[in-house]
Amino acid sequence: NAGVTQTPKFQVLKTGQSMTLQCAQDMNHNSMYWYRQDPGMGLRLIYYSASEGTTDKGEVPNGYNVSRLNKREFSLRLESAAPSQTSVYFCASISGGNTDTQYFGPGTRLTVL
Amino acid sequence: AQSVTQLGSHVSVSEGALVLLRCNYSSSVPPYLFWYVQYPNQGLQLLLKYTTGATLVKGINGFEAEFKKSETSFHLTKPSAHMSDAAEYFCAVSAGSNYKLTFGKGTLLTVNP
Repeated sequence: NAGVTQTPKFQVLKTGQSMTLQCAQDMNHNSMYWYRQDPGMGLRLIYYSASEGTTDKGEVPNGYNVSRLNKREFSLRLESAAPSQTSVYFCASISGGNTDTQYFGPGTRLTVL
Repeated sequence: AQSVTQLGSHVSVSEGALVLLRCNYSSSVPPYLFWYVQYPNQGLQLLLKYTTGATLVKGINGFEAEFKKSETSFHLTKPSAHMSDAAEYFCAVSAGSNYKLTFGKGTLLTVNP
């Protein structure tokens, strides 16, 4: 039982390049989330998927797209990376219910030059 | 809408001293409150959570927090700090649909020998 896994762990991009961050969970959770973490800002929600087949914008969705490929996988795509997207990205999942715990992946550290 | 304010971006204590990390929240509906810990270069791990019932909540590693509705607070405490407690701590609130978490900006705890 690996929990929430993310790939890659590190990535360096040039401005304008595209890439997809992958996230998978093996806990049969319904809801999945993408956050970004910046120094002094805490974690901010980019997009979430309440259930398979649905996605919704969070607090900071501009410049990102997501795909809930199936119940296990939730990917985050940067179509044209910008230096402002340099951040650490975390994926999380939850079984269901506000009282449940969100489980976090180890993060992807992205640098955009 | 919901929000979280963590007072003090950096708290420094001596080993064996009391740890007090402050968190105040704003929510239009009864909140569910969480404390997460992040060790360097790792993801977030749940310390404890308040959902309903007893307002004093005990978590892992000797931490506890008390929900005070009248003060809209959920401060985290530990009687005696250990070197291994050095990390960043995040308070979060979940009070809406789709189980989204809103995080505070974090408090970095330093423990001095």
